[in-house]
Amino acid sequence: EPEVTQTPSHQVTQMGQEVILRCVPISNHLYFYWYRQILGQKVEFLVSFYNNEISEKSEIFDDQFSVERPDGSNFTLKIRSTKLEDSAMYFCASSEWSPLSHEQFFGPGTRLTVL
Amino acid sequence: GQQLNQSPQSMFIQEGEDVSMNCTSSSIFNTWLWYKQDPGEGPVLLIALYKAGELTSNGRLTAQFGITRKDSFLNISASIPSDVGIYFCAGILDTGANSKLTFGKGITLSVRP
Repeated sequence: EPEVTQTPSHQVTQMGQEVILRCVPISNHLYFYWYRQILGQKVEFLVSFYNNEISEKSEIFDDQFSVERPDGSNFTLKIRSTKLEDSAMYFCASSEWSPLSHEQFFGPGTRLTVL
Repeated sequence: GQQLNQSPQSMFIQEGEDVSMNCTSSSIFNTWLWYKQDPGEGPVLLIALYKAGELTSNGRLTAQFGITRKDSFLNISASIPSDVGIYFCAGILDTGANSKLTFGKGITLSVRP
């Protein structure tokens, strides 16, 4: 069964460093998302992406964040200068979308630890 | 902003028992989804609901989309140990493409053998 994959599974970085989190969405999906989950809290929306541009972003997704679809399969989230409070699980999701289905399928996540 | 409320935070049941979880909102959502998350993993979609009043089953799971569009429930029947995990409800307001999910805080389910 097709699934969303994410790499790395765990990333440790120093405060102020740049990180790139990678995702491979399900192959026939056209809509891509990033969410994050701080330990013990709920999953929060960061950004949605379609047709090579951002469709919607949350207040969390400030100028330090960017997303890119560099080729036909990868979808990346970059944090330019990480802060301690960026430590969280980051989930990529994708959806096929049709008028009858809004199902979003999640990857296993990348645990980002900022020291 | 939109918020989904799930309570209690934790539920403890005996294997074989049925359990019901509720999710409520002060505002309307047009799609409701239920996800299960195991420790250290991503949310896995259990059931999606698209119409007010809709009742949908997936094996031992049954979920309903409330008539008012402000609530949903998930029932698990005849619980087994692998039902342990965190159950999140999520809502979509905008039924257009690229619709973001708003998640509840989740209910942690424990099943005693």
